[in-house]
Amino acid sequence: QQQVKQSPQSLIVQKGGISIINCAYENTAFDYFPWYQQFPGKGPALLIAIRPDVSEKKEGRFTISFNKSAKQFSLHIMDSQPGDSATYFCAATLISSGSARQLTFGSGTQLTVLP
Amino acid sequence: DAGVTQSPTHLIKTRGQHVTLRCSPISGHKSVSWYQQVLGQGPQFIFQYYEKEERGRGNFPDRFSARQFPNYSSELNVNALLLGDSALYLCASSRQGMNTEAFFGQGTRLTVV
Repeated sequence: QQQVKQSPQSLIVQKGGISIINCAYENTAFDYFPWYQQFPGKGPALLIAIRPDVSEKKEGRFTISFNKSAKQFSLHIMDSQPGDSATYFCAATLISSGSARQLTFGSGTQLTVLP
Repeated sequence: DAGVTQSPTHLIKTRGQHVTLRCSPISGHKSVSWYQQVLGQGPQFIFQYYEKEERGRGNFPDRFSARQFPNYSSELNVNALLLGDSALYLCASSRQGMNTEAFFGQGTRLTVV
């Protein structure tokens, strides 16, 4: 059962434009929502993350918007650059029986920023 | 500081064989998790280990097993390989407690032929 749904599957934007990627989750026990960026041949790297008690978090050109009632969150990339071209994954964590956490990932969005 | 290191980087195996993948976490990190990333999909959780104990298991068959050593490095073992096991296997390490940031290695690309 897919617990985190991500859209769109692919996205093409012009340099300087805004890239928007959306995710929806089902499990209300999730308590941490990170976004990862992955370049070809590399492992995912944490980009930005948010907790459900916050509606928005901004770090540089990257902003997460979080809607707890709708169980949705989104990533906005302002002033998109060709170097932002990568695959982006949303994720959510569930408190496990241990002290560390397990990530449930969305299916990914391949972003292409045209020069 | 060195990041998460995984070995080997690439591996080709034949159906029915066994494979062992290795992971060294970031120094000071005591938790290691394993993920399988099939081409075009998001990573799927396989195992989590903390302080050498299994703390979580994803929806994978018993052919998959793992362990964590006293130095916190970890091995992922897959028996009776199937073509569908072809994927990028990712290891992630994290500190204990409320810090939930997971740092991923570059992965091991496993191809089963």
